[in-house]
Amino acid sequence: DSGVTQTPKHLITATGQRVTLRCSPRSGDLSVYWYQQSLDQGLQFLIQYYNGEERAKGNILERFSAQQFPDLHSELNLSSLELGDSALYFCASSVGWNTEAFFGQGTRLTVV
Amino acid sequence: GEDVEQSLFLSVREGDSSVINCTYTDSSSTYLYWYKQEPGAGLQLLTYIFSNMDMKQDQRLTVLLNKKDKHLSLRIADTQTGDSAIYFCAEKGANFGNEKLTFGTGTRLTIIP
Repeated sequence: DSGVTQTPKHLITATGQRVTLRCSPRSGDLSVYWYQQSLDQGLQFLIQYYNGEERAKGNILERFSAQQFPDLHSELNLSSLELGDSALYFCASSVGWNTEAFFGQGTRLTVV
Repeated sequence: GEDVEQSLFLSVREGDSSVINCTYTDSSSTYLYWYKQEPGAGLQLLTYIFSNMDMKQDQRLTVLLNKKDKHLSLRIADTQTGDSAIYFCAEKGANFGNEKLTFGTGTRLTIIP
C-alpha cells in the first residue's frame, strides 16, 4: 500500500457526461501529480500541484481541470467525456517537488 | 523534449537474472526510477537512482546508470514468478516547474517455468 488513495476505483459513464476523480495523498506529501494511462498513449503526465498551487502542466485537455484543496487532497474533473477518454487515471504524491513519487491504485474510467 | 525508450517484451527462465534496459534523452535528469505494474494494479516504486551515482543495489535489484550514454538498466536476480509484471523506467526533470516523471513504454517481463 503506497498510502495514496484514489476514489472511485471504477467508473462507467456515458459520452458527454462529467466526472470527478479524487485523490488523497500520503500524509505529509505536498505534491500531487495526475497521469493518464491508455493503451495507445502509455503513461501521460497531465498536471501537478504543489501545496495548493498549479506547478506544471502536461498534455491535459481543456475539457479536463484539476485542483488541490487546503487539506492537500486533489480532484481531477473530466467533462464532455468522449470514448477516447477511457483510461486508467493515476494520482501520485511526493513530499517535495524533487523527491520520489508514490502512486495510487488508479481509477479506471470507461466511457460508453 | 524528454523521451524514454524501453523494449516491449522480455522472457526469462525462473531462477535466471532479468535485465531490463532503458534509454533516456534528458541529460539534466536528476532522478531515474523503476516502477512495477502488476495486472490491474497501480504503479509500485521499486527503486530509484540519483544521477550522480553509477550503481545502486537493493536486495535482488541492481540499478546501473551510464550517464554518458543515457542508459539505465534494472537487473533482477533469481527471477521468480511473482516478478511477472510490466516494468517502467522514468526520469524526472531537474528544472524548476518541470518535475514531472516521463515514463517509458514499459517492458512486459514474462517468467518461463
